[in-house]
Amino acid sequence: NAGVTQTPKFRILKIGQSMTLQCAQDMNHNYMYWYRQDPGMGLKLIYYSVGAGITDKGEVPNGYNVSRSTTEDFPLRLELAAPSQTSVYFCASRGQHNEKLFFGSGTQLSVL
Amino acid sequence: TQLLEQSPQFLSIQEGENLTVYCNSSSVFSSLQWYRQEPGEGPVLLVTVVTGGEVKKLKRLTFQFGDARKDSSLHITAAQPGDTGLYLCAVNTGNQFYFGTGTSLTVIP
Repeated sequence: NAGVTQTPKFRILKIGQSMTLQCAQDMNHNYMYWYRQDPGMGLKLIYYSVGAGITDKGEVPNGYNVSRSTTEDFPLRLELAAPSQTSVYFCASRGQHNEKLFFGSGTQLSVL
Repeated sequence: TQLLEQSPQFLSIQEGENLTVYCNSSSVFSSLQWYRQEPGEGPVLLVTVVTGGEVKKLKRLTFQFGDARKDSSLHITAAQPGDTGLYLCAVNTGNQFYFGTGTSLTVIP
């Protein structure tokens, strides 16, 4: 039982490049979330999903896109990377009747 | 505007000391969570408090939810180096979980 798996762990992008951060969970959780964490700060919600085919914006969605074609996967897309998107990105999931969030180990992204 | 304000932002103490960190808001919540995050890892849930005035204990950690359900505190007794980490409070507003600004705790052996 792997829990929440994020790939890659580290990535360096040039300004204007695009990439997809992968997130997969094997707990059959309906709810999935993407957060970003800047140094010394808490977590800011980017996007979330309450089930396959349903996504919604969080606090800081600009510059990002998501999709949820399956219950297991919730990829985060950066189309035109900017230095302001340098951060650590965390994916999380939870069950429908449970408030406990399970987090992946994060993707550290640098945009230079 | 930050929904949840945590204080202090940074705390460095000697092993064996006691400490309290705070999570404050002007809003009322039905429940509040505390997470601990170690370097290079995602946050891990410590506790959820749901009733105003509720006190929960987890070994040397004591969590309290304010009577008005707007704030919470985390008290650690006889801190150990293994308590080092970032402590985050969080609330669920519908389907969205919002996190506080965090308290970074360092316990020096």
